[in-house]
Amino acid sequence: DTEVTQTPKHLVMGMTNKKSLKCEQHMGHRAMYWYKQKAKKPPELMFVYSYEKLSINESVPSRFSPECPNSSLLNLHLHALQPEDSALYLCASSRPSGTAADTQYFGPGTRLTVL
Amino acid sequence: GNSVTQMEGPVTLSEEAFLTINCTYTATGYPSLFWYVQYPGEGLQLLLKATKADDKGSNKGFEATYRKETTSFHLEKGSVQVSDSAVYFCALNPSRLTFGEGTQLTVNP
Repeated sequence: DTEVTQTPKHLVMGMTNKKSLKCEQHMGHRAMYWYKQKAKKPPELMFVYSYEKLSINESVPSRFSPECPNSSLLNLHLHALQPEDSALYLCASSRPSGTAADTQYFGPGTRLTVL
Repeated sequence: GNSVTQMEGPVTLSEEAFLTINCTYTATGYPSLFWYVQYPGEGLQLLLKATKADDKGSNKGFEATYRKETTSFHLEKGSVQVSDSAVYFCALNPSRLTFGEGTQLTVNP
């Protein structure tokens, strides 16, 4: 089973709202990732968690706050977003062996619209 | 640094045509190479991968061979179907995924 699940599938929020995106995997992976994808572009890495600890933050604005409560779950808390933050947000997971053989498996994404 | 260059799209083919999407890369060390596919409105799905030189990845009729001498990983399929219409991303992973810009494929009946 190589399934990564994400909820919600779609989210519309105002600039003053607080919302959260959720990601779950049961493959025993200990590395989890958040990506942002704009239309007709490849995914851009935002955050990496390895063994439930934040290991990479790609200079993401503080209005995005990641959280990894356990080895299976990854959240992305959203607050005071801007319309330009509208995008597809993808979660991925992999074994964190640090070798080139690591394969990332992606979820279906959350389509976020900020009004 | 690491980079991936894919042939520019969009690519439009008729059903049962032969498909090639070119991918070349620049990387230090010995990266793994991947093709991901993204169907309309969906996330990325791993299509195939190769972890060392001369490896051939294959899945669903698609194939790609890891060519170190030409730093290439071209995606091929002998007979495309309408259901293959999607965006295809070439990627490499020496430590984090580096994606190409993606190639939009449309297959017409």
